[in-house]
This record gives sequence, structure tokens and C-alpha cells, in this order.
Amino acid sequence: DAGITQSPRHKVTETGTPVTLRCHQTENHRYMYWYRQDPGHGLRLIHYSYGVKDTDKGEVSDGYSVSRSKTEDFLLTLESATSSQTSVYFCAISDHTGELFFGEGSRLTVL
Amino acid sequence: AQSVTQLDSQVPVFEEAPVELRCNYSSSVSVYLFWYVQYPNQGLQLLLKYLSGSTLVKGINGFEAEFNKSQTSFHLRKPSVHISDTAEYFCAVSGIDNQGGKLIFGQGTELSVKP
Repeated sequence: DAGITQSPRHKVTETGTPVTLRCHQTENHRYMYWYRQDPGHGLRLIHYSYGVKDTDKGEVSDGYSVSRSKTEDFLLTLESATSSQTSVYFCAISDHTGELFFGEGSRLTVL
Repeated sequence: AQSVTQLDSQVPVFEEAPVELRCNYSSSVSVYLFWYVQYPNQGLQLLLKYLSGSTLVKGINGFEAEFNKSQTSFHLRKPSVHISDTAEYFCAVSGIDNQGGKLIFGQGTELSVKP
């Protein structure tokens, strides 16, 4: 299995609170991604990173920010969580071919 | 930009029957294509991928897919399914000009194999 760890795996929070999800990899891959998975929508890309301090927006980036200060860590932050951000969040890593390796997911519930 | 459409949201099938999960894509550039599988409460894992070469691609667990450029399709097939194949399947596309190969996913197809 690819060395990808997501934390926390489960979180319940209240509307308006900040939340940070962490993705840690041991594969030294250059590219890292955050996706959200919702029924009927498949996986949608939130943000991605192509190197330390190099990030870009995906298709559903509003309300989210990311940071990558080290190759192995990619953080996803919800500055002020809303109920619409209740979802399962997946981190993924890849090399240049585009084959993604996924973490186990983080289930976030915003009340 | 690319997009992916999985034509069936749910596919029920009996054990040992053949199955086809359909995927169409659109893109203005050449593409890489992927099928991923997600078992309950797990992340996604790669079934197979098409990067170049032969249009018939074989993957894990007896699955195969055929890239049809003229029909912009990448349908997934298995000649005889097992109960253990019950899962959600995602088709994904990446333009070959995409930096880092970020993928666009379809909505998913739930395969339910019944005894």
C-alpha cells in the first residue's frame, strides 16, 4: 500500500468553526490532491499541489484553502465550516503518469 | 478541459454473469483513462489504466477495458463476476497536457452482485 495517512479519520464540528485535515505521505511523490466525495457527484477536486509551496485550485475550491510547507504534508483548511462541507475527504498522491494513490478518507460532519 | 459521464448509476447482476460498466468522456486533447474501484468504507484503488498502445487494457481481478477513440468511450468489462466484486466503480480521465495528471472523475457506478 502507498504510504498515505489522513488525520483525523472522523470529525464532527459545528458551523462556523475552523477545521484542518492533514495528509501525510512517505512516498516522496511530487503531486498531492484533496478530493471530496459526495453521493451522485463522484469525486471532485478541491485543491492540488505540484510541489512545496506550489498549489492550485480545483473545481470546488470555494471555502477551502491548502498549504504545503513540506513534501510529505498537505493540509486542507476550512476557515469557517458550513453544513454543505459535510463530506468524505480523500487525499491522493501521484507521480507524473496520473495514477493516483488514495488515503483512507476523512469523514467530516458539520452540524 | 475534460469531463466524464458514467452512463449507469447502479448495475445489479447475478453472480457468474458478465458485466459491462459504461464510461464516456470528452476532451479537446489526447487523454489518459483510468478505472478505480472503491469497496465500502475504503479509499479508491486502481483497477486498470490506458496511457498509450493497445486499446484493450487488462487490469486486476479479471477486469478489462477497451479504449475507443472514435466513440470517446472506455467501457469496463468482466466475463464472470463474483460476490466480492460488489463495490463502486469510478471512471476517470486526465488530459496528457495536465500538469501532474490531475484526474476528473465520473459520478460512479454501483455494482451489486447477487447470488
